[in-house]
Amino acid sequence: GNSVTQMEGPVTLSEEAFLTINCTYTATGYPSLFWYVQYPGEGLQLLLKATKADDKGSNKGFEATYRKETTSFHLEKGSVQVSDSAVYFCALSVRSNDYKLSFGAGTTVTVRA
Amino acid sequence: GAGVSQSPRYKVAKRGQDVALRCDPISGHVSLFWYQQALGQGPEFLTYFQNEAQLDKSGLPSDRFFAERPEGSVSTLKIQRTQQEDSAVYLCASSLVQTNTEAFFGQGTRLTVV
Repeated sequence: GNSVTQMEGPVTLSEEAFLTINCTYTATGYPSLFWYVQYPGEGLQLLLKATKADDKGSNKGFEATYRKETTSFHLEKGSVQVSDSAVYFCALSVRSNDYKLSFGAGTTVTVRA
Repeated sequence: GAGVSQSPRYKVAKRGQDVALRCDPISGHVSLFWYQQALGQGPEFLTYFQNEAQLDKSGLPSDRFFAERPEGSVSTLKIQRTQQEDSAVYLCASSLVQTNTEAFFGQGTRLTVV
């Protein structure tokens, strides 16, 4: 089956620190990979995505590279801000059921000023 | 409206009670999805509609769960004879096309069964 394992939280950082959230996956077929973010009081939002090996998704200073050899899609940001405090979810979908997302458990990130 | 709207935002139900959760998708969006998110977990897929057709209901946990979208717009998720394990946040999402890569999520309905 399809599954996503991501780094457990919570993660607490100071402003301007480097953030990494690890994500690995297991999939039947060739998955597309996503990072979603949930800010306090808001719905899930797509942060970035990558649809094939070695693709890099990027948005709002965040990046993640699709690594097929290590089945990973780690999220990174070089300098976090307080406004990046949120819950981050790694997710995948496969072509045979491209409407269905499989999510990781989420990682809560708190950035302190 | 500008986004996906879900109501109610919070629902407390006594065990055994029936509940109905409503989702108003973004106007014109063809696809609609329901997910269940237990505390501390990621969302789990429940069901998928394309217009009024329910194309996949494989994620519904039991026959107490029922979803409909009769006119291809508003959707209702109904849970009969609620149990404590049904306590979760129920998320609705919609997208313009079949794939979910551009799906917009609502804020969810938090159901607590006491």
